[in-house]
Amino acid sequence: KAGVTQTPRYLIKTRGQQVTLSCSPISGHRSVSWYQQTPGQGLQFLFEYFSETQRNKGNFPGRFSGRQFSNSRSEMNVSTLELGDSALYLCASSPLSSGNLNEQFFGPGTRLTVL
Amino acid sequence: EDQVTQSPEALRLQEGESSSLNCSYTVSGLRGLFWYRQDPGKGPEFLFTLYSAGEEKEKERLKATLTKKESFLHITAPKPEDSATYLCAVHRTSGTYKYIFGTGTRLKVLA
Repeated sequence: KAGVTQTPRYLIKTRGQQVTLSCSPISGHRSVSWYQQTPGQGLQFLFEYFSETQRNKGNFPGRFSGRQFSNSRSEMNVSTLELGDSALYLCASSPLSSGNLNEQFFGPGTRLTVL
Repeated sequence: EDQVTQSPEALRLQEGESSSLNCSYTVSGLRGLFWYRQDPGKGPEFLFTLYSAGEEKEKERLKATLTKKESFLHITAPKPEDSATYLCAVHRTSGTYKYIFGTGTRLKVLA
């Protein structure tokens, strides 16, 4: 079974630009969660999508948004990039929504650098 | 406020030198605790799920245990390939989003 894939793997942008990251979950998984990982803060939850609906949202500004398609693939968008947005963005998939106790399967991440 | 704290932040061991990593948690209701391993430049990889105090799980040189306040990841006779960041996460009954991650322990095993 193919794992979680994320594209692109690396991205360099400048302040003020916007970026779109993509995540394809494991086949059959309907839940996709996005996390931001930085050395000082660890994994910070961004949002969760389940069956094309946003189920939960973390404490991030409105510049961060996402969506999920009918095939469970998900995208997240960051507008008006700031230097502090530089991070590893991880996507995790699971068969059920986060309200259920199930392990999450992570993709390799997208390393975003904002100059 | 629910939180997960891991210690130490970083640990250097000689090959064969056993040690333990700690994950302490304060949550209103624990449904499960997860351990993940993360290699540089990669996403976390699932290791264990523990559901209740007293439970233990083993995998090769790793053994995870759980009490009502904390979990330990014991590493017996580590090898250089065990070098990674180890993350723990709790699944709680409260809150809108159920998972809370710790910031991890960076383990370096020297040959």
